[in-house]
Amino acid sequence: AQSVTQLGSHVSVSEGALVLLRCNYSSSVPPYLFWYVQYPNQGLQLLLKYTSAATLVKGINGFEAEFKKSETSFHLTKPSAHMSDAAEYFCAVSTNTGTASKLTFGTGTRLQVTL
Amino acid sequence: KAGVTQTPRYLIKTRGQQVTLSCSPISGHRSVSWYQQTPGQGLQFLFEYFSETQRNKGNFPGRFSGRQFSNSRSEMNVSTLELGDSALYLCASRRDRADSGNTIYFGEGSWLTVV
Repeated sequence: AQSVTQLGSHVSVSEGALVLLRCNYSSSVPPYLFWYVQYPNQGLQLLLKYTSAATLVKGINGFEAEFKKSETSFHLTKPSAHMSDAAEYFCAVSTNTGTASKLTFGTGTRLQVTL
Repeated sequence: KAGVTQTPRYLIKTRGQQVTLSCSPISGHRSVSWYQQTPGQGLQFLFEYFSETQRNKGNFPGRFSGRQFSNSRSEMNVSTLELGDSALYLCASRRDRADSGNTIYFGEGSWLTVV
C-alpha cells in the first residue's frame, strides 16, 4: 500500500519568508506525486505533479517541489511567501491498479502567512 | 473550458434520509472519482467510475454508492444518513490513460450536513 506523511499540521511564516512544507511517501513502485492547495470553502487545486520526467517540478504561483528518491520525500517550497498563499496544502500519491487510479492524501498542512 | 461541476453545493439532511450528489466532469474526461473530506478522517477515496463501470472502491460501507452515465456524468448516493456522514464530498475527473500520472482535477465540492 502507498501512503503519504505530511510533517507539521500547521506552519506559520512571515510574508516574504521561505515556505517549506514537508511530504514523505511510501511506495513499493515508482510513485506519482502531487501537491494540491485548498482555499477556504473551495475544492482542491493542483499546484504541481511529479511523474518521473524531472526531479525538480515547478508549479503554479511560484511553488516548486523536488523529488528525492533516497529520502522518499517530495517537499514543497516557495522562495517568498505571500499573504494569498494562506491555505491548506495536501500532498498525495497516486495508486495505480491497472487502469484504475486513486489518490492517497496526507493529512494536510495549514499554512499561515503573517505580516 | 469548464471545470468539474458539482451540485448542489450545500445541503442539509436529517438522519435516516438519503442524498444524491451530482458531478459533471471536464469535457472529454471519462473517469470520475469521489472523495470524502472530514476534519477527523481527512480526504478519503470513495470510488472511481469509468465507462459506466465502477473499477475502484474505497473502504466505505454499502450505504455509499455511485453510478456513471453514458455522458460521463456521475452521481453518488448515501442512504440512511448518519451524523458522521457530514462532510465535504469532492468529485474529480481525469482524461484517463493507463498512466496514473494523468492529472486528477477536482470540483468545488458538495457540503453535506446531517442533523
